[in-house]
Amino acid sequence: NAGVTQTPKFQVLKTGQSMTLQCAQDMNHNSMYWYRQDPGMGLRLIYYSASEGTTDKGEVPNGYNVSRLNKREFSLRLESAAPSQTSVYFCASSDPGQFNYGYTFGSGTRLTVV
Amino acid sequence: QQQVKQSPQSLIVQKGGISIINCAYENTAFDYFPWYQQFPGKGPALLIAIRPDVSEKKEGRFTISFNKSAKQFSLHIMDSQPGDSATYFCAASMSNTGNQFYFGTGTSLTVIP
Repeated sequence: NAGVTQTPKFQVLKTGQSMTLQCAQDMNHNSMYWYRQDPGMGLRLIYYSASEGTTDKGEVPNGYNVSRLNKREFSLRLESAAPSQTSVYFCASSDPGQFNYGYTFGSGTRLTVV
Repeated sequence: QQQVKQSPQSLIVQKGGISIINCAYENTAFDYFPWYQQFPGKGPALLIAIRPDVSEKKEGRFTISFNKSAKQFSLHIMDSQPGDSATYFCAASMSNTGNQFYFGTGTSLTVIP
């Protein structure tokens, strides 16, 4: 089925460890996004890529880096994980050329930093 | 600063009743207002959306009401069913800003039989 695929689904890290969250979409969307979801905070944008070759900071970029590897793939890297980064991370993509556009979200990565 | 304010945080409704979730915004440059539905363990999914040139949009049991002058919009779920139990997020975006969506904090809806 077409959509957004995120890996891994679950991860436990120790403080200071690094990891990369992977995201791929097969809908030929130009724009891709990384959000984190925390209780009572809703969804907050970490980074986004409006098109292949560009990335921009969102609302909460500190402690994260991203790479738009190609049109399909957009990865999120935690260089030195901290307990404050414990969250559920969602990747999304969209095609702003559509009239009723919206995000297609992946199923999320639940990250715990201990 | 929360760009989109959503209420209530949680809502319990009897089966067959009407569920109403409200959102408010300040930025008049917003021109697209979607609602997302999220089930536990899943990513949010686009439910219904509206643009400010109309005051209401209906899709099945789901209706968005939009009040441009008050800068408010709401989701109405008619004949609420237990299967509607989920978290609902409102959002807003500006077409000319890379399509970034600003989300409300979410409403946890429980429909009891």
